[in-house]
Amino acid sequence: AQTVTQSQPEMSVQEAETVTLSCTYDTSENNYYLFWYKQPPSRQMILVIRQEAYKQQNATENRFSVNFQKAAKSFSLKISDSQLGDTAMYFCAFMKHVADSWGKLQFGAGTQVVVTP
Amino acid sequence: DTGVSQNPRHKITKRGQNVTFRCDPISEHNRLYWYRQTLGQGPEFLTYFQNEAQLEKSRLLSDRFSAERPKGSFSTLEIQRTEQGDSAMYLCASRITGGASGELFFGEGSRLTVL
Repeated sequence: AQTVTQSQPEMSVQEAETVTLSCTYDTSENNYYLFWYKQPPSRQMILVIRQEAYKQQNATENRFSVNFQKAAKSFSLKISDSQLGDTAMYFCAFMKHVADSWGKLQFGAGTQVVVTP
Repeated sequence: DTGVSQNPRHKITKRGQNVTFRCDPISEHNRLYWYRQTLGQGPEFLTYFQNEAQLEKSRLLSDRFSAERPKGSFSTLEIQRTEQGDSAMYLCASRITGGASGELFFGEGSRLTVL
């Protein structure tokens, strides 16, 4: 079974600053996907960024980037130039790279990010 | 709005009552998922459908839970004889087979409070 651990319950950052969220996972799988999802208050969860385990290059989406360390089973998210709209709960998630697992995600407990003016 | 729609958004019920939640996925999405999210935790997978076929059920889905997707469009999740431990946010998500791997489109959730 896979486990996903987010050890930071809450992070506070000022506008325009950078914040890094940590995520570690445990798996015996070699091929898998990792995700960061964002859940704003009272709104639906949306995908922020995705990393395929067989790709060594770290994924980047505008102000969001990841640091994927496969050997260490670590997958951190960096939010640069933080904006008030980034305030949300952020979930790290794992998915096996097998057909019947598409969409079956294992989530961490989440990190609440608060961006202050 | 063409996103995933869930109703009701909030349901308060007494222990022992039955409740039903509805999910309308994005219209062209053939896969539909139910997750449960308790306070302070990430979502946990419950079950999923491909079209009208329920392909997998988590062991979290006890006998009191039943999910259907009768015509491969909307889905319902029914909880019979609710217990206080059923209090949670129930999230529905959808995707299309062959879509960007793993990306789920979530609804805003249905929050259940069992008194």
